[in-house]
Amino acid sequence: DAGVTQSPTHLIKTRGQQVTLRCSPKSGHDTVSWYQQALGQGPQFIFQYYEEEERQRGNFPDRFSGHQFPNYSSELNVNALLLGDSALYLCASSFSAAGELFFGEGSRLTVL
Amino acid sequence: SQQGEEDPQALSIQEGENATMNCSYKTSINNLQWYRQNSGRGLVHLILIRSNEREKHSGRLRVTLDTSKKSSSLLITASRAADTASYFCATDAAGGGNKLTFGTGTQLKVEL
Repeated sequence: DAGVTQSPTHLIKTRGQQVTLRCSPKSGHDTVSWYQQALGQGPQFIFQYYEEEERQRGNFPDRFSGHQFPNYSSELNVNALLLGDSALYLCASSFSAAGELFFGEGSRLTVL
Repeated sequence: SQQGEEDPQALSIQEGENATMNCSYKTSINNLQWYRQNSGRGLVHLILIRSNEREKHSGRLRVTLDTSKKSSSLLITASRAADTASYFCATDAAGGGNKLTFGTGTQLKVEL
């Protein structure tokens, strides 16, 4: 039973570019959440998707957007990248919004 | 922004000793969770304690929760070198639906 998988594991972009990160939830899970973790900090909640809709959102600008597909996988898109967007982006899945969260290994984004 | 503050920021102990980490938070919660993270990789769920619980055990882990003081502690008994990691507390606010707010983390180093 595969856990939460994320891709790519590492990527480098330049300021102003756009990036798409992908997440496949654990089998049987229907809810996907995204977190941003800056170096030396705890993760911060970006948003949560359930039934292909954004259900909750953290304090992140509109440059951060997402999508959930019918197979429950999800994408995180960040436009107009800033140096401060450099971070580890973590995807977490659960069965419903109340279930235990399982995290992927993350996608490490470096913005130059 | 981080809700929780963890204390200490870093802890170094010898194998076999106990490690205690503390977490404080600011708002009413539905539950509090502890996670472990190895070297900036994915988060692993350790234990969840609900707001109406005061103490919970899981193997070598003991968690306490004092909602009147808005604080929690994680005790790892008989620590091992493999316990070396960062530990984060995360709160799920009342009605939050798995929108976790993480603390700043404690870096634990267990030396042989």
